[in-house]
Amino acid sequence: DTAVSQTPKYLVTQMGNDKSIKCEQNLGHDTMYWYKQDSKKFLKIMFSYNNKELIINETVPNRFSPKSPDKAHLNLHINSLELGDSAVYFCASSQVGGLEYFGPGTRLTVT
Amino acid sequence: KQEVTQIPAALSVPEGENLVLNCSFTDSAIYNLQWFRQDPGKGLTSLLLIQSSQREQTSGRLNASLDKSSGRSTLYIAASQPGDSATYLCAVYNTDKLIFGTGTRLQVFP
Repeated sequence: DTAVSQTPKYLVTQMGNDKSIKCEQNLGHDTMYWYKQDSKKFLKIMFSYNNKELIINETVPNRFSPKSPDKAHLNLHINSLELGDSAVYFCASSQVGGLEYFGPGTRLTVT
Repeated sequence: KQEVTQIPAALSVPEGENLVLNCSFTDSAIYNLQWFRQDPGKGLTSLLLIQSSQREQTSGRLNASLDKSSGRSTLYIAASQPGDSATYLCAVYNTDKLIFGTGTRLQVFP
């Protein structure tokens, strides 16, 4: 029973394309997050949603648009992909201020 | 602005040793501190959460301490095993988000 799942696991695409990553959690958590882990393995928050409302937007380019259709899902759509977008993207969920549970990650490679 | 630093960046030890991993943060106004492990090519696994009012938390061979006033946390791993090899990340919860440290890459060899 996967707690936080993401699809796809790997994504290889060309510059300029638009792509989406999906995330689902079955933990009943109110808050979901998107993180980016760069090539140096540094992990930084991009967005957080609480009960489908955007709470945090960490100065991410507006080519990145999160969408939360319901509490259990938080998808990430990326327009006009650039080389610098290559990274591993992690979805996570928690109750507010509680332990965060991470998905397995999506490795995005932009060529 | 909160900054989280972990020392050492990498550590290689023989099996059986007791280890201490360090985490320091610049702003003591934290809500909690969390420790995670990340295996190569995988996601993060939650290890321990210490609330700001607590001094330590224990789970099996792991013990994490928190000294908010000095901006420090340590993760103690007793009797290390090769299966403990991973990157260990600490993160502080500030207001509304987790801020991660730079990680300690641990290798335990048989």
